[in-house]
Amino acid sequence: GAGVSQSPRYKVAKRGQDVALRCDPISGHVSLFWYQQALGQGPEFLTYFQNEAQLDKSGLPSDRFFAERPEGSVSTLKIQRTQQEDSAVYLCASSLRLADTQYFGPGTRLTVL
Amino acid sequence: AQKITQTQPGMFVQEKEAVTLDCTYDTSDQSYGLFWYKQPSSGEMIFLIYQGSYDEQNATEGRYSLNFQKARKSANLVISASQLGDSAMYFCAMRVHSNFGNEKLTFGTGTRLTIIP
Repeated sequence: GAGVSQSPRYKVAKRGQDVALRCDPISGHVSLFWYQQALGQGPEFLTYFQNEAQLDKSGLPSDRFFAERPEGSVSTLKIQRTQQEDSAVYLCASSLRLADTQYFGPGTRLTVL
Repeated sequence: AQKITQTQPGMFVQEKEAVTLDCTYDTSDQSYGLFWYKQPSSGEMIFLIYQGSYDEQNATEGRYSLNFQKARKSANLVISASQLGDSAMYFCAMRVHSNFGNEKLTFGTGTRLTIIP
């Protein structure tokens, strides 16, 4: 079956612009996670949804970051007024249930100029 | 807090040889899971293998096995008969089972494996 998909794969933004990154989880997967991966580092947790409920957003680095999953399927990570330090790969993962293996999408590489 | 340590930034291995990638972890929780993911240059994270903290036997998946030593808090990945396609970044990760409803993964810094023909 289809895996996790993310769009766009690459995004270049000028400093101060708003961006929206989309994640389509595996069909039927209840749990959805966003991670941020800086160059040369491992991914770091940003936020987590169970269905449409955002249960943990403790990893979001600032109030410029906002995530939603209104219908419990597709999720969008929005970054307002982008800064250069926001440049990273943003990975989305989903799992069938909370404690199951997380499967990752290909990521969106964001470059802020 | 949980921590994953991968001490090998890079490794070079001859094709068809076995390779061990090191991973140590730190947690005070009794119930946790350990994962290995592969990240090729294309960027996606590919799940390889999982070991639960209460599993008595080491996990195996094809050419991958996980050498789990609970007392030493280590979870090394062993790849047998390495292939050119194994060249990638490898990440060790830990998930702690919590009552807060979150099962986030904590990752190490990764090991870049290069297979030499």
